[in-house]
Formats: sequence, structure tokens, C-alpha cells
Amino acid sequence: AQSVTQLDSQVPVFEEAPVELRCNYSSSVSVYLFWYVQYPNQGLQLLLKYLSGSTLVKGINGFEAEFNKSQTSFHLRKPSVHISDTAEYFCAVKRSNDYKLSFGAGTTVTVRA
Amino acid sequence: DAGVIQSPRHEVTEMGQEVTLRCKPISGHDYLFWYRQTMMRGLELLIYFNNNVPIDDSGMPEDRFSAKMPNASFSTLKIQPSEPRDSAVYFCASSPLGGGYEQYFGPGTRLTVT
Repeated sequence: AQSVTQLDSQVPVFEEAPVELRCNYSSSVSVYLFWYVQYPNQGLQLLLKYLSGSTLVKGINGFEAEFNKSQTSFHLRKPSVHISDTAEYFCAVKRSNDYKLSFGAGTTVTVRA
Repeated sequence: DAGVIQSPRHEVTEMGQEVTLRCKPISGHDYLFWYRQTMMRGLELLIYFNNNVPIDDSGMPEDRFSAKMPNASFSTLKIQPSEPRDSAVYFCASSPLGGGYEQYFGPGTRLTVT
């Protein structure tokens, strides 16, 4: 079995400040990792993914994440947020031996001016 | 590319009625997924198909739920009879074989059962 834990349910942040969203996972097999963003009343959109190779991955809209195998973490960061980054962010895990994604509970980011 | 298309976008129905949600995946995608999103349970995978064949329906909550994919361009999720606890946003997503395993989500159907 696998599980995904997003450690913060809500993260308020001021515009132009940095933000970090934490994600930990557990799995008995190797995994692929994803971050998705959901804007209000929309579907989910892929921000970035880690499949293999460099543990630091860069995504759209200035986001990046670092895979840490020893700590089973995949934290998402952005050095300077905009009002438009206000959304819900989901960490997701896919086991290497099937096609399903397991999602974390989500982190709501609210950016204030 | 139009992306994943879902209809209707909103559905309000009375308890006991049959509800059918529809999804058109992105052309050429081999996998199709149905999810349910609620505040209490978050995002749950209900069922997924590969080349129109159901692969894993372990997330389907009970016999009132059924899903079909009669061809590569169309899938339905049916609830019969519907109950208030089925109120949620239902998402359809599709994914190509390989391609980095990214799933492309539709805009969702917001279902309210009164």
C-alpha cells in the first residue's frame, strides 16, 4: 500500500514571499511523484513530476520540487509567489508497477497583497 | 486540442433518481480515469480503463455506481439510485501510454443530490 501526506492543509503567504509545500509518501515499491494545482472551479493541472534522474525538478509557473529518497519527501517550492498562485495544490504518487495515482489531501495556498 | 470534455458541468437531482455523467477523453489517450472529490475524503479514484477495458474498479463505492467505456472517445459514470451522500465533484482524466504518466483532467461535474 502507499500513502501520501501533505503536512500543511492551509498556507497563507504574502505576495512576493517564498512558499514551501511539504509532501511525504510511503511505498514498498519505487514511485513516481507529481504535483498538481487546482484553481477554483477547475480541474487539476500538472505542475511538475519526478520520474528519474536529477532530484531537483522544475515545473511551470516558477515552481520546483526536490525528491529526497531517504526522507521519502517531495517538497514543492516557489521563491516568489503571485496573487495568481492562490489555489489548492496536490501531491500525488504513482507506483512503478501500476497506473493509479494516489493523491494527498491538498494544501490551500492563499496569497495576500 | 479541446482537452478532456465532461458533461454536464452541473447536475442537481433528487434522491432516488438516476444520474449519468459523461466524459470524452483526449484523442489518442489509452487510459481513462474517474475520480470523486469531496471535502471529507479528498480525491478518490473510482475506476480506470485501459483501451476501453476496466482495469481497476476497487474504488467504486457500491453497486449503485457503474462505469462504461463503449469506445475510445466516450465514457459514462452512472449512479442509480442517487443519494445525498453522492454529492461531490466528479472528474474524468485521460492519459497516453507512456508519456510520463501525466493525467489530463477535465473541468469536472458538480453533482448535488437533494
